[in-house]
Amino acid sequence: DAMVIQNPRYQVTQFGKPVTLSCSQTLNHNVMYWYQQKSSQAPKLLFHYYDKDFNNEADTPDNFQSRRPNTSFCFLDIRSPGLGDAAMYLCATSRAGTGTDTQYFGPGTRLTVL
Amino acid sequence: AQSVSQHNHHVILSEAASLELGCNYSYGGTVNLFWYVQYPGQHLQLLLKYFSGDPLVKGIKGFEAEFIKSKFSFNLRKPSVQWSDTAEYFCALGGSQGNLIFGKGTKLSVKP
Repeated sequence: DAMVIQNPRYQVTQFGKPVTLSCSQTLNHNVMYWYQQKSSQAPKLLFHYYDKDFNNEADTPDNFQSRRPNTSFCFLDIRSPGLGDAAMYLCATSRAGTGTDTQYFGPGTRLTVL
Repeated sequence: AQSVSQHNHHVILSEAASLELGCNYSYGGTVNLFWYVQYPGQHLQLLLKYFSGDPLVKGIKGFEAEFIKSKFSFNLRKPSVQWSDTAEYFCALGGSQGNLIFGKGTKLSVKP
């Protein structure tokens, strides 16, 4: 089945230790998104790629970076995780990136920061 | 600014009860509205969406939602819930760049 895969499902890191979360897709979609969801809060968009074009949300901290080496893969890098970065990180894809487009989500990576 | 609010944090129903989950949005332009569901241990998946035409939208598993422009609302309904509907439900507004602006979600617990 075509899908969005996130690895790992659970990630534990130490305060200040860089961490990378991975997302891959078999849908061949043009757009890939990263959302952050803290406990009892709405998922919040961090940034997205339309093909190779990177689009950062204005309020996304510089501590968060992303890479998309090819259509299938997208990575979220947290350069110096703080306690406040503990959250579920959701990857999603869409075909065309329009307002009517359905987004397809991965299962998420739960990040714990010690 | 675009925003979405969901009124109920946690709803508990018995099987066969009717369901209505509230969703209100704030946006002055053309709206694209979605309901996503997250079953326990699973990923977010689309229930239904509205972007034009008939304001009453039917989705999967017997769910429907009605877009009422004058009330800025897009409430989700189901006439008779089942235990398997236990999940978290998110209302979302489609942004201009295809991003989603989510509400905080409503947890639905259905008692058998």
